[in-house]
Amino acid sequence: QSALAQPRSVSGSPGQSVTISCTGSGSDVGTYNYVSWYQHHPGKAPKVMIYDVSKRPSGVPDRFSGSKSGNTASLTISGLQAEDEADYYCCSYAGSYTTIFGGGTKLTVL
Amino acid sequence: QVQLQESGPGLVKPSETLSLTCDVSGYSISSGYYWAWIRQPPGKGLEWIGSIHHSGRTYYNPSLQSRVTISVDTSKNEFSLKLSSVTAADPAFYYCATDVSLRGFFDHWGQGALVTVSS
Repeated sequence: QSALAQPRSVSGSPGQSVTISCTGSGSDVGTYNYVSWYQHHPGKAPKVMIYDVSKRPSGVPDRFSGSKSGNTASLTISGLQAEDEADYYCCSYAGSYTTIFGGGTKLTVL
Repeated sequence: QVQLQESGPGLVKPSETLSLTCDVSGYSISSGYYWAWIRQPPGKGLEWIGSIHHSGRTYYNPSLQSRVTISVDTSKNEFSLKLSSVTAADPAFYYCATDVSLRGFFDHWGQGALVTVSS
């Protein structure tokens, strides 16, 4: 299993939208609709923002949305806010009851 | 509200066994969920270590399977991680989390425990 591929960093200005990609393979992202996204502020516990590709847990703003096409999943954050600055990790089911994460993307709000 | 708290030695010698416990409060381990361990080496991404059901059935990351043991103690409402033969590749923040469905959906996390490896 290799980690899912994410850009090392993305940035955007307040109010703008950014999209973070997560590329896997036909063994994980491409086959299963079980992609989740985690927001991680350093020193804090990670927080799930999206699960099952596009579902939002209660309490997560609808500015956060998820999608998938082929072997690539995406997290879009619209109406960027300063508090969105964090590391974001994608995660996918990889079959045989195993899970794989991406390498993480640092989001900077300019 | 489910709360999780990791505990254990923060320093382990090379070749020895890392041992951590996750204390669960606000929810009975026997009521449901799977229970997971996830780690983050310094400067690197997250890595799923494995998950356990309250029945004791375990699911491990194939890359760590030969060194990992996850166990559950329902009487104490806690679950534990043992990672044997630690090396310089094993220092990390170790998190425990609730695993909703063995599909990569972890909805409650502990704050994490930093473990370093040094003689």
